[in-house]
Amino acid sequence: GQQLNQSPQSMFIQEGEDVSMNCTSSSIFNTWLWYKQEPGEGPVLLIALYKAGELTSNGRLTAQFGITRKDSFLNISASIPSDVGIYFCAGLNTDKLIFGTGTRLQVFP
Amino acid sequence: KAGVTQTPRYLIKTRGQQVTLSCSPISGHRSVSWYQQTPGQGLQFLFEYFSETQRNKGNFPGRFSGRQFSNSRSEMNVSTLELGDSALYLCASSLQDRALSPLHFGNGTRLTVT
Repeated sequence: GQQLNQSPQSMFIQEGEDVSMNCTSSSIFNTWLWYKQEPGEGPVLLIALYKAGELTSNGRLTAQFGITRKDSFLNISASIPSDVGIYFCAGLNTDKLIFGTGTRLQVFP
Repeated sequence: KAGVTQTPRYLIKTRGQQVTLSCSPISGHRSVSWYQQTPGQGLQFLFEYFSETQRNKGNFPGRFSGRQFSNSRSEMNVSTLELGDSALYLCASSLQDRALSPLHFGNGTRLTVT
């Protein structure tokens, strides 16, 4: 099935560090979404982006909709242990939501 | 407001059997989508329903089917189960008909086929 390229695949960082991850596609999307999934749970929506170039924050999280509409970025500042999980990007074209391969984040105290 | 509810949380079936999974969307949400999540393939779109009609379908064999009821609740069915069908099945609901509003996911049904 189709998936978006997400990098890095995994990250092991120390509490307090900043985190950056990105998602790229060969296709143009009209909407980019970022989700977080914790063990045993479904993905939870973090940020939704609707316009090329848009920069949106949700607490310590900031995401950007790339100008080319083929990529998106997520930054987490001052990471804490509860940031642990898998982060997924998702791109929406006219009718389908395509998910990225996920970035697994581990935060060490 | 209650979230998306999926039942059961866990299922163990044997090859050749069939299974039915249930999803209750967030109140007021009329679109329900189903996804299969596996370690190797990630989140793969199965199908989307709106107003009891299938609006979109992913690239899964005909053994995978679904339906939506008038109260927006949805079920998906997998017949003639194969070992490779073992996965977490996620249901998601959204406000609008083409899932243009962000999807809100349930916690999934973990299916194990032995």
